Amino acid sequence: EAQVTQNPRYLITVTGKKLTVTCSQNMNHEYMSWYRQDPGLGLRQIYYSMNVEVTDKGDVPEGYKVSRKEKRNFPLILESPSPNQTSLYFCASSERGGFGASQKLFFGSGTQLSVL
Amino acid sequence: AQSVAQPEDQVNVAEGNPLTVKCTYSVSGNPYLFWYVQYPNRGLQFLLKYITGDNLVKGSYGFEAEFNKSQTSFHLKKPSALVSDSALYFCAVRDNPGTYKYIFGTGTRLKVLA
Repeated sequence: EAQVTQNPRYLITVTGKKLTVTCSQNMNHEYMSWYRQDPGLGLRQIYYSMNVEVTDKGDVPEGYKVSRKEKRNFPLILESPSPNQTSLYFCASSERGGFGASQKLFFGSGTQLSVL
Repeated sequence: AQSVAQPEDQVNVAEGNPLTVKCTYSVSGNPYLFWYVQYPNRGLQFLLKYITGDNLVKGSYGFEAEFNKSQTSFHLKKPSALVSDSALYFCAVRDNPGTYKYIFGTGTRLKVLA
């Protein structure tokens, strides 16, 4: 089954304790991205990657790191989490390309992060 | 800079009535436009997209959207609402041919009343 898998589903941590949220896709997609969802703000893009070893900042990259060492994996790293990073996080992937490509984003089920 | 506006936080509609969820956008070039739906405790699911061609786009679950270039709008519609359509709907835009930066709207909660 085609899917994007995020782990963990729920995470409670304390300020300053490094954490990683994993994301993996089994569709051989070149494009992957991370979003955070906050009430009243919708989804905001954190980072995206158009291929292995290629990453770019989205609209809210501060406080986050990503890496794309393999095509299928795109982990999100919070090296020193703060309470304002409490949010619902989504990973997504898609084909990369012009008009002929699907352009459809496939989303993971989300990670609810609470930073105390 | 590209942007997306969903002017209504919530839309209420009676079951069986037509529904419209509004979206307006601002991009520098020709837009790629999308609608996604989010059910409780789930990730977002693709509904439909406009890339080029016919201004009326048909998507999943009986939804359709009309691209209006002069009004820079991409409203989501359905002729007859179902209670099961109740969910959070997001409009999104991506520059063409530009970057792979997606901008999502703030979301509109659709409530279909039985």
